[in-house]
Amino acid sequence: QVQLQQSGTELVKPASSVKISCKASGYTFTSNYMHWIRQQPGNGLEWIGWIYPGNGNTKYNQKFDGKATLTADKSSSTAYMQLSSLTSEDSAVYFCARDYGGYVMDAWGQGASVTVSS
Amino acid sequence: DIQMTQSPASLSASLGETVTIECRASEDIYSNLAWYQQKPGNSPQLLIYDANSLADGVPSRFSGSGSGTQYSLKINSLQSEDVASYFCQQYNNYPNTFGAGTKLELK
Repeated sequence: QVQLQQSGTELVKPASSVKISCKASGYTFTSNYMHWIRQQPGNGLEWIGWIYPGNGNTKYNQKFDGKATLTADKSSSTAYMQLSSLTSEDSAVYFCARDYGGYVMDAWGQGASVTVSS
Repeated sequence: DIQMTQSPASLSASLGETVTIECRASEDIYSNLAWYQQKPGNSPQLLIYDANSLADGVPSRFSGSGSGTQYSLKINSLQSEDVASYFCQQYNNYPNTFGAGTKLELK
């Protein structure tokens, strides 16, 4: 079955960067887009962007341009998201999610919690 | 960006009851709408896509309907495992956007 295993909780300092991983299994990693979504405490969901692991193409929500960088390693079936210049506003749970087709997300990672605090 | 307005924000219902959650888009999204369920402490799970198509493994008591700017998620015969937050998502326009969610509790 499709599984997306994300890295764990991160406590990071303001102005630093963090890199979250999402290891995929149970399907052909290079055949599906991978989305990243943010959920701030008590808030809804925001789409950050996608990467197509087959060729490395990416597309970002304009809101996260310059904040998030998406990459993928085909050899390990792992997608990554790096968040830079962190502020307290970036404290959130970040999910990876497989694209089923046309931005429908049919499998989600368990989420990675990022807390930005000095 | 397209705004997705969900109502109600929270809802309390009894076991066996039928529940309906609404989602209104700020413009026509041509049925490019999905519904997700997020149980406390878990990640969202896909319930419905293309406004009315049931995702694999989702119980048939869940159904979606609507068109244009107005959509709804219906849960027949509410079960205890349906306690969760529910989110709608439009994917007709870039960027895809989500509603703020409806929190469903048992009465």
